[in-house]
Amino acid sequence: DAGVIQSPRHEVTEMGQEVTLRCKPISGHDYLFWYRQTMMRGLELLIYFNNNVPIDDSGMPEDRFSAKMPNASFSTLKIQPSEPRDSAVYFCASSLWEGSTYEQYFGPGTRLTVT
Amino acid sequence: GQQLNQSPQSMFIQEGEDVSMNCTSSSIFNTWLWYKQDPGEGPVLLIALYKAGELTSNGRLTAQFGITRKDSFLNISASIPSDVGIYFCAGQLGGSEKLVFGKGTKLTVNP
Repeated sequence: DAGVIQSPRHEVTEMGQEVTLRCKPISGHDYLFWYRQTMMRGLELLIYFNNNVPIDDSGMPEDRFSAKMPNASFSTLKIQPSEPRDSAVYFCASSLWEGSTYEQYFGPGTRLTVT
Repeated sequence: GQQLNQSPQSMFIQEGEDVSMNCTSSSIFNTWLWYKQDPGEGPVLLIALYKAGELTSNGRLTAQFGITRKDSFLNISASIPSDVGIYFCAGQLGGSEKLVFGKGTKLTVNP
């Protein structure tokens, strides 16, 4: 079975440009999470969705960040305008809530470099 | 916010040695998960624990859900070079779909 798919794997952009990261969760999963990983702060949860609806976006750093999930098989994380401090690895993860069990599965990540 | 204290921060061991790492928290968790991350890849789920006192194995890996529900341990027996990577613990609080992650334990195995 295909795991979580993310694209692009690497993105290099100049400060001020718009960046869009994409994620396809595991088929049948009802939760989707966006994380950011840096050396200094580790893994940080940015936002998560349940059945395509945003549940908690308290981790989104500022208004420059936005996320959408138009359907069960696709989500985007957009940064506009991008800044050098946004450089990090961004992960998407998905899970299926089954009451007594709970496991999140991560994609390979998008390494973003903003110059 | 909630925090997990993961230790040690890094480990340097010889191939064949056993490894132990742990996570502690001041909060009670319903679920403990252990992940491994290789360079340039996303975290991969190794073991999931759901009951206090539970001991679960996955090959050479064994993890335990602490009886107080505030800690968890991961042991790797007879380490091999491909065990190199960063190991993360993650805990799920009751009533929340979010995970709290530790800072990771970086494992280096010398052949």
